[in-house]
Amino acid sequence: DTAVSQTPKYLVTQMGNDKSIKCEQNLGHDTMYWYKQDSKKFLKIMFSYNNKELIINETVPNRFSPKSPDKAHLNLHINSLELGDSAVYFCASTRGRGYTFGSGTRLTVV
Amino acid sequence: RKEVEQDPGPFNVPEGATVAFNCTYSNSASQSFFWYRQDCRKEPKLLMSVYSSGNEDGRFTAQLNRASQYISLLIRDSKLSDSATYLCVVTGYSGGGADGLTFGKGTHLIIQP
Repeated sequence: DTAVSQTPKYLVTQMGNDKSIKCEQNLGHDTMYWYKQDSKKFLKIMFSYNNKELIINETVPNRFSPKSPDKAHLNLHINSLELGDSAVYFCASTRGRGYTFGSGTRLTVV
Repeated sequence: RKEVEQDPGPFNVPEGATVAFNCTYSNSASQSFFWYRQDCRKEPKLLMSVYSSGNEDGRFTAQLNRASQYISLLIRDSKLSDSATYLCVVTGYSGGGADGLTFGKGTHLIIQP
């Protein structure tokens, strides 16, 4: 049973499109996150959700919007995709100390 | 100044050698500290937590120096399978989930046969 699963694993799309990445965790964790790892391999937090409340929103363009239908899901929706959005996006969850990451979604914008 | 700074390497080390990594963090209010390991094209995975008293897990030893805002990781008797990127990670509060993890850029380690 995968603890944190994200789909799709790979996503290739054209500039200007709108796309979503899904994330689900079956660990009963309270908080979920989205991280972005760019071409320089730097992992940076984008969002976190705790009990359906957005807690962190770093300097992320408003084309990115997290959507959490319930505590076990945190999806990432991206509007008007740009070349610079190409990266690996990781979902993660925690109940406090230990963090579990999904296996990542490699997004390529062409 | 970056929040978490690490030497990116790569560190090329012969199998069996001992290797040490360091990192510094800028936020003196940081309370939880970790080393994560990331293999190529994979997700980060927790290697170990880091405490002021120092902690050891097999061949791995981690140490925190709060006064100097400095974290270290020592790997003894390195194996080929230790080749990976090692990420220094801090949080702002006592393990609380709300603040998330702040990652260093990672140190790339290559163990050579």
